[in-house]
Amino acid sequence: DQQVKQNSPSLSVQEGRISILNCDYTNSMFDYFLWYKKYPAEGPTFLISISSIKDKNEDGRFTVFLNKSAKHLSLHIVPSQPGDSAVYFCAASGNAGNMLTFGGGTRLMVKP
Amino acid sequence: DVKVTQSSRYLVKRTGEKVFLECVQDMDHENMFWYRQDPGLGLRLIYFSYDVKMKEKGDIPEGYSVSREKKERFSLILESASTNQTSMYLCASRYPPGTGTMAGYTFGSGTRLTVV
Repeated sequence: DQQVKQNSPSLSVQEGRISILNCDYTNSMFDYFLWYKKYPAEGPTFLISISSIKDKNEDGRFTVFLNKSAKHLSLHIVPSQPGDSAVYFCAASGNAGNMLTFGGGTRLMVKP
Repeated sequence: DVKVTQSSRYLVKRTGEKVFLECVQDMDHENMFWYRQDPGLGLRLIYFSYDVKMKEKGDIPEGYSVSREKKERFSLILESASTNQTSMYLCASRYPPGTGTMAGYTFGSGTRLTVV
């Protein structure tokens, strides 16, 4: 049973528009959430994170929103750029940073 | 800057062969991990190691073993490769939780293994 789910396997967005990637989790013990970005033939790289004591964290064009009651988080990319085209993984951990549990990933395609 | 290096980018092996995937990190991280990535399944944990000579099974350890004789090196071993082990293999490392660092991992570039 997947504890972290990304229900959209792919997303296509026009350059300059907003990209919204969604992630749901089931384990209420998760208290730290991260997004990783992965290009083909490369390892995932850390993008942005959020602690459960916050509901929003912003870093440049990237913002992560956390809705604890709904056990849902989302990554917003504004404005989207062709270089953002990659697979995005949502990850979660509990108990002060133990093992990361990853979602299935969403492939984002940003069209010029 | 932490670097995690996986020795091979692409490997093609025959069914039944014993396969070694090597991973080296240069930041003195205690924790190291092996994942496999498959479409739609995300990253699944195979094995991890808290420290030298210590290992723990992850979610999908069947058909795999690991070795951690030195702190910087964590090897994944496919005892008898099978076609269902064709996948992208990713190694990662990090400091232990509670050391003041974030929970995130640093990943290597991955090894694309094809078993024929």
